Amino acid sequence: GAVVSQHPSRVICKSGTSVKIECRSLDFQATTMFWYRQFPKQSLMLMATSNEGSKATYEQGVEKDKFLINHASLTLSTLTVTSAHPEDSSFYICSARDLRGGRGQFFGPGTRLTVL
Amino acid sequence: EDQVTQSPEALRLQEGESSSLNCSYTVSGLRGLFWYRQDPGKGPEFLFTLYSAGEEKEKERLKATLTKKESFLHITAPKPEDSATYLCAVQAEGGSEKLVFGKGTKLTVNP
Repeated sequence: GAVVSQHPSRVICKSGTSVKIECRSLDFQATTMFWYRQFPKQSLMLMATSNEGSKATYEQGVEKDKFLINHASLTLSTLTVTSAHPEDSSFYICSARDLRGGRGQFFGPGTRLTVL
Repeated sequence: EDQVTQSPEALRLQEGESSSLNCSYTVSGLRGLFWYRQDPGKGPEFLFTLYSAGEEKEKERLKATLTKKESFLHITAPKPEDSATYLCAVQAEGGSEKLVFGKGTKLTVNP
């Protein structure tokens, strides 16, 4: 199957700092990538859809000025959590759709963010 | 609003004890239903996509089926390595590729 990587896998930061998370499709090109957030024992919740070369589309209730998304190439999307606070601590996961694999989305390994 | 409900929330089986996981959904026109496996601290691993009622797909000890209201993930003679959380998600018709996930079923298979 298609391979999606994320970096870093784990980050701990102080309140008020910004954190950048990278999502890469390793063996395919992805015009669209997706960013999800998962709290313990909860569903994956879509935060935004990242489109290569254009602005991201955010889900209702997600602050676009706080969660900055950039999709600069067909294999890389980044999520920047600006001025992070403890309530932003969560598991952030990206996914990408490999057109060769039908309609399935392939997920990265996730990034555990802890804000102190 | 599209919704996905998975049951049971948790399931404990003995090795070799077959069972089924349920995914009930309501969606404004189903484009696809997806099953994923998620291990602790990892991203979801793609298992199956089902597109229309009556469709079935198999992979090793897993078999997924689909009706107009629900999907089942059948696990035949499970092994301890099948222990994981199994997630179900739906994608509605239309331009969005958004996946709506259920909360998952945490499966534990004891040796």
